[in-house]
Amino acid sequence: QQQVKQSPQSLIVQKGGISIINCAYENTAFDYFPWYQQFPGKGPALLIAIRPDVSEKKEGRFTISFNKSAKQFSLHIMDSQPGDSATYFCAAIAFFGNEKLTFGTGTRLTIIP
Amino acid sequence: ETGVTQSPTHLIKTRGQQVTLRCSSQSGHNTVSWYQQALGQGPQFIFQYYREEENGRGNFPPRFSGLQFPNYSSELNVNALELDDSALYLCASSLDTSTDTQYFGPGTRLTVL
Repeated sequence: QQQVKQSPQSLIVQKGGISIINCAYENTAFDYFPWYQQFPGKGPALLIAIRPDVSEKKEGRFTISFNKSAKQFSLHIMDSQPGDSATYFCAAIAFFGNEKLTFGTGTRLTIIP
Repeated sequence: ETGVTQSPTHLIKTRGQQVTLRCSSQSGHNTVSWYQQALGQGPQFIFQYYREEENGRGNFPPRFSGLQFPNYSSELNVNALELDDSALYLCASSLDTSTDTQYFGPGTRLTVL
């Protein structure tokens, strides 16, 4: 059972545009929602994260929007750059649950000039 | 770089064999988690070790086992390999079980023929 659903599977955005990736979850025990960025041949790296008591978190060009009632959250990348081309994973964690970190299926983002 | 290393980088085995993958965590990190990432999918949680004791397990059969050593190294062992075990295996270290930041290694690519 997939506990974190992510869309789209792939995304092509023009340089300077806004990239938007969406995720939804079912398990209300999740209490932390990180986003990971993965380049080919590398492990995932933490990009930005949010707790459910906050509706938005911004770090540089990256913003997470969180809707607790809808159990949805999204990543916005402003002024997208070719160096942002990577696979992005949303994730959720229940600190006291048995399954520590649950990932979405990933979004392959390509930024074109 | 995250300071987490994994060996080997690539490995080819045949069905029915056994394999041991190794991970070296950041110094001082008491927790190591292992994930399986199939091609085009998000990482799936296998298990976590905290101070050399298993501290949570995902939906993987008992032929997946692990060890954590006092010198911040750990192992993932898989017995009776199956074709579906072909994947990228990632380890991630963190300070303790409640921290929200896991630092991933680059992974070991296992191919089962």
